[in-house]
Amino acid sequence: DSGVTQTPKHLITATGQRVTLRCSPRSGDLSVYWYQQSLDQGLQFLIQYYNGEERAKGNILERFSAQQFPDLHSELNLSSLELGDSALYFCASSPRLAGTGELFFGEGSRLTVL
Amino acid sequence: DAKTTQPTSMDCAEGRAANLPCNHSTISGNEYVYWYRQIHSQGPQYIIHGLKNNETNEMASLIITEDRKSSTLILPHATLRDTAVYYCILTNTGNQFYFGTGTSLTVIP
Repeated sequence: DSGVTQTPKHLITATGQRVTLRCSPRSGDLSVYWYQQSLDQGLQFLIQYYNGEERAKGNILERFSAQQFPDLHSELNLSSLELGDSALYFCASSPRLAGTGELFFGEGSRLTVL
Repeated sequence: DAKTTQPTSMDCAEGRAANLPCNHSTISGNEYVYWYRQIHSQGPQYIIHGLKNNETNEMASLIITEDRKSSTLILPHATLRDTAVYYCILTNTGNQFYFGTGTSLTVIP
């Protein structure tokens, strides 16, 4: 158990819909990261937040957005969903903004778009 | 993006050492070598990281060549629970990881 909690674990929805994935980082961790893992693209870094502020962006689509709240939990919003958005979405946390150290990953949210 | 090359798959007998190679010939001086593993669609798990020197922890050892162009992750006594995809990653930030396709390690009884 990494201490990172993601909900929901599974989600099935239709194209064009919008969903929100939630992440609670480990107690005390200020950084939250979102990753997407699809079958054909592997694990892709999407975005990082640190203490409520966006700090780094990776391959995140404009239809996707995220935020980190004052209690440090984070939400990833996916809108106008397409079939290709079906994937595992992982959240990770760390105590640092940057620098070496490990990321602690949650168990993921599996999104299926039909 | 990831600048590492790993074999697609490897087998290892249970109880033997598993040696997973990684080539990173274009590594920069400030880039660390990280290893993570992912067991059957679970969240990736940190294993070890290093810059220049060899490193060892309770899970594994990391051997980095002197020119830093390659490294080897060693699981000293592989068990069935070590069956996973192992990712070798370079990063100079320590947090924005770009995972490649990794090596699928199968530990055979």
